[in-house]
Amino acid sequence: QKEVEQNSGPLSVPEGAIASLNCTYSDRVSQSFFWYRQYSGKSPELIMSIYSNGDKEDGRFTAQLNKASQYVSLLIRDSQPSDSATYLCAVLSNSGGYQKVTFGTGTKLQVIP
Amino acid sequence: NAGVTQTPKFQVLKTGQSMTLQCAQDMNHNSMYWYRQDPGMGLRLIYYSASEGTTDKGEVPNGYNVSRLNKREFSLRLESAAPSQTSVYFCATRDISYEQYFGPGTRLTVT
Repeated sequence: QKEVEQNSGPLSVPEGAIASLNCTYSDRVSQSFFWYRQYSGKSPELIMSIYSNGDKEDGRFTAQLNKASQYVSLLIRDSQPSDSATYLCAVLSNSGGYQKVTFGTGTKLQVIP
Repeated sequence: NAGVTQTPKFQVLKTGQSMTLQCAQDMNHNSMYWYRQDPGMGLRLIYYSASEGTTDKGEVPNGYNVSRLNKREFSLRLESAAPSQTSVYFCATRDISYEQYFGPGTRLTVT
């Protein structure tokens, strides 16, 4: 089982719709969770981080964390073509006494005008 | 405020050649990282440096060496390049919350 799993997609949504991106992780005691956006040919950029169960909203983005079920999701409201990118989930956990961030392989999102 | 910078942006090497990828940051972060990104494999950690003067191996260190020259600079060296090292290389720093900030990347092709 991969430490951090994401559906590779592509996930296609029409412009204006809600895009829902999901991520599951294997380490039950993971502490912090991050969403990065990566445009084609560019480097990852941080969108949001979430540390406790529940929802965290930032503009059109909402991160949701459920530690009991070991999943974290990212909702993008009013999706725009400019949101088309690959979204990477990252999880911070303690591995052998040191903190380690593990990235998923990403979900490609396509927003159709 | 440039954030994280990397040089070069592109490089083509022949098998067996050596090169050094440079990374510099002006974010005053202690920790710096080198990743490679390959299709379907995601970001894989090569080496990291928790502070000036310290370096540690990550998930895929074979064939690479690193130097943490000072707090700002962290370089990655390929001593004898192999086609399997064809990849996109990202340098990153992190803050105290473990949020990471990436450089623009180096696209390396080894023929």
